[in-house]
Parts: sequence; C-alpha cells; structure tokens
Amino acid sequence: QVQLKESGPGLVQPSQTLSLTCTVSGFSLTSYNVHWVRQPPGKGLEWMGVIWSGGNTDYNSALKPRLSISRDTSKSQVFLTMNSLQTEDTGIYYCNRNQNWGQGVMVTVSS
Amino acid sequence: DIQMTQSPPSLSASLGDKVTITCQASQNINKYIAWYQQKPGKAPRQLIRYTSTLVSGTPSRFSGSGSGRDYSFSISNVESEDIASYYCLQYDNLFTFGSGTKLEIK
Repeated sequence: QVQLKESGPGLVQPSQTLSLTCTVSGFSLTSYNVHWVRQPPGKGLEWMGVIWSGGNTDYNSALKPRLSISRDTSKSQVFLTMNSLQTEDTGIYYCNRNQNWGQGVMVTVSS
Repeated sequence: DIQMTQSPPSLSASLGDKVTITCQASQNINKYIAWYQQKPGKAPRQLIRYTSTLVSGTPSRFSGSGSGRDYSFSISNVESEDIASYYCLQYDNLFTFGSGTKLEIK
C-alpha cells in the first residue's frame, strides 16, 4: 500500500540548514507528485512546495529563496532542504501524495 | 499568489447542528478547492475535492459548494467525532491553505 515516511533531525540551530527525507513506498515518484506541508505548533497548515512527477519543482513564494526540493527515484526518496532557519520554522513537517500523508516529523529550531 | 480567507476561526456547535465554513479566494479558482479535516496529533485527511466531490470514505453529512472566488463547506448533523480543525486548500494555481477553523462541541 502507499506509504510515506519523513525523517530528519529533530533539532536544528538557528541560521543552519534543515535537511529532511521523505521515503515512499507503494508508488513511483515518476508517476506521482509529492508535496511538503508544514505546521507550526498550534497553528495552521502551510504548503511549502511540490516535486512534480516529471521532476520539476514549484515552491511557496515566501519560502522560495531558501527552499529546495529534490528526489532520488532509485531510492524512492524526496528531499527537502531549507537554509537560514529561524525559530518560526519550528513545527511538524509532512510529505504527502494526494490523500496519503506521512506521519510528520517535528523540527525544533533552537540553540 | 492566491490568498485564501477562511472563516470563522472557530465554531462551537451542538450535536446534530449544521455548521458551515467559508473560504474566499483572492481570485477565481475555478472550483479547484479541497477541504481537509485534522484531528489533534494527526495528519490532515482530505474530505472533499473539486468543490463538492466526496473523497472515498467521507460521510455524506459533509458537503461542499461554491464557484468563482467563494466556497463553503458544511457538516450536517454534527457528531462528536467531527471535533477537529478544518482547512480549505486551493489548487488552481499552485497551492494555498486557508487559515483553518476549529470546531468544538458545546
């Protein structure tokens, strides 16, 4: 069945770079788009970006200067990289494909 | 970028009530709006896509309507399991979530 699972460091220092991995199973990344969505504690959902099945990417314009999404189709993995992290980047980060979501990974930005 | 204005931020309803949430887009989104439910500690779950199409498994007490810039989402006969936050998402031009509505039971 379709599964997505996020992984990455739980704690990142301010001004540093966040690297997250979304490992998928049950489908091919060349056939489906994968999105990243985040949620600060107690707040709403924010769409971050997408890697389309063809490999192109689109980003939330507010995050575009410091966000990058890529993939390794052979490993069924999608990567999120975001630099210059600040405390307001703290939250749960999800990857998703259509109605399927990962469990989310909590990222805390703190020194 | 398309902005989505969702209201109200919170709702308090009695069991059996009908509640309605609205989202207004900053431009015509051609019915490309979905609605999500999120329970505490869980990932969001899509309930409705393309304005009014129920996703498989969505109870029929959920419904959506609208066109152009204005859309609504309703729950008829609210049940205790409906306690959650609800979000709209436009996907006509990239993607934008509304700010969310928290549903509580009186």
